[in-house]
Amino acid sequence: QVQLQESGPGLVKPSETLSLTCNVSGGSISSYYWSWIRQPAGEGLEWIGRIYSSGSTNYNPSLKSRVTMSVDTSKNQFSLKLSSVTAADTAVYYCAREESGSASYYSRVGYWGQGTLVTVSS
Amino acid sequence: AIRMTQSPSSFSASIGDRVTITCRASQDISSYLAWYQQKPGKAPKLLIYAASTLQSGVPLRFSGSGSGTDFTLTISCLQSEDFATYYCQQYYSNPSFGPGTKVDIK
Repeated sequence: QVQLQESGPGLVKPSETLSLTCNVSGGSISSYYWSWIRQPAGEGLEWIGRIYSSGSTNYNPSLKSRVTMSVDTSKNQFSLKLSSVTAADTAVYYCAREESGSASYYSRVGYWGQGTLVTVSS
Repeated sequence: AIRMTQSPSSFSASIGDRVTITCRASQDISSYLAWYQQKPGKAPKLLIYAASTLQSGVPLRFSGSGSGTDFTLTISCLQSEDFATYYCQQYYSNPSFGPGTKVDIK
């Protein structure tokens, strides 16, 4: 059973860079797309972007200028960096895995981490 | 960007009720639609994908239908564990989610 676990600072100062890592266990990171999705308190879900195990990425156009994702297959983990954060970036951040087998370029999300709350505040 | 809307935004129901939630896409997304269930403090859980395919392990009382721009999630006989918030998601292009429908106890 694949398990995902987010880690990183829970508090980030405005204008700084948010950095999170997702550790994947119970399966290989290879040959899948790995996503980051966030959810402000009491609000809906926002797709941030995804990275393939080879390193190719797709980002939400609304966040693209501030997002960088990377993958480390040797450690079975992938990471998110979001620069120039503001209070609007305060949210629970989920890492997730897309399922394979979709006829579309994208796919549904089959596995989710438990989520980690990141607060942007001075 | 494809915008997803859901209706209603919330409603109250009783155990045993048949409930239907509607999701609409701002453009044709074929059948590239998923439904998720989220309980407070937990990550979303995939229920249905490709508009009508039940994810493994999900009870048969859940079903999905639709294609193009209009979709529905139906729970045939509401159980206590079904009180939650439900989200639709399109994955035809850059993924986006609906705003959610909260189902609570009447």
